[in-house]
Amino acid sequence: EAQVTQNPRYLITVTGKKLTVTCSQNMNHEYMSWYRQDPGLGLRQIYYSMNVEVTDKGDVPEGYKVSRKEKRNFPLILESPSPNQTSLYFCASSQSGTGATEAFFGQGTRLTVV
Amino acid sequence: GQNIDQPTEMTATEGAIVQINCTYQTSGFNGLFWYQQHAGEAPTFLSYNVLDGLEEKGRFSSFLSRSKGYSYLLLKELQMKDSASYLCAVRDNYGQNFVFGPGTRLSVLP
Repeated sequence: EAQVTQNPRYLITVTGKKLTVTCSQNMNHEYMSWYRQDPGLGLRQIYYSMNVEVTDKGDVPEGYKVSRKEKRNFPLILESPSPNQTSLYFCASSQSGTGATEAFFGQGTRLTVV
Repeated sequence: GQNIDQPTEMTATEGAIVQINCTYQTSGFNGLFWYQQHAGEAPTFLSYNVLDGLEEKGRFSSFLSRSKGYSYLLLKELQMKDSASYLCAVRDNYGQNFVFGPGTRLSVLP
């Protein structure tokens, strides 16, 4: 089954404790991205990757890191989480190019930083 | 800059028709997508337009006017399960990045 898998689904952590949210896709997609979703603000892009070893900042990259060592994986790293990073996070992947190549989303990770 | 606008909330009655509008001003355009998102769940793909006109897909249709920077999603024969948020998204010129609107929360009442 084609899917994007994120882990964990729920996470409560304390300020300053490093954490990683994993994302893996099995569709051989070149393009992957991370979004955060907050009430009234919609989905905002954090980082994206056009292929292995190619990453770039989205609209709200501060406080986050990513890596793309393999095509299928795109982890999101919070080196020193703060309460303003409490949010619902989504990983997405899509095929490169044009046409009706929609983005496929993971199930989401609800992060609370206290 | 990138700007996508949608109404924040809409309410409609079961069995009725509802139209959700989306206006956009983006630096590039390579397709407009509509997604459905139930509360706390992942967005799922509904429709895609790249040329002007109407695309029909069962109870859902989507319209695009590129010259006006305007799209709408039309939902017919509304069902209770259609209560969800509807996200408008524009894909950029390079065919990679998606810019999402804030979403429209639709409530379907009996």
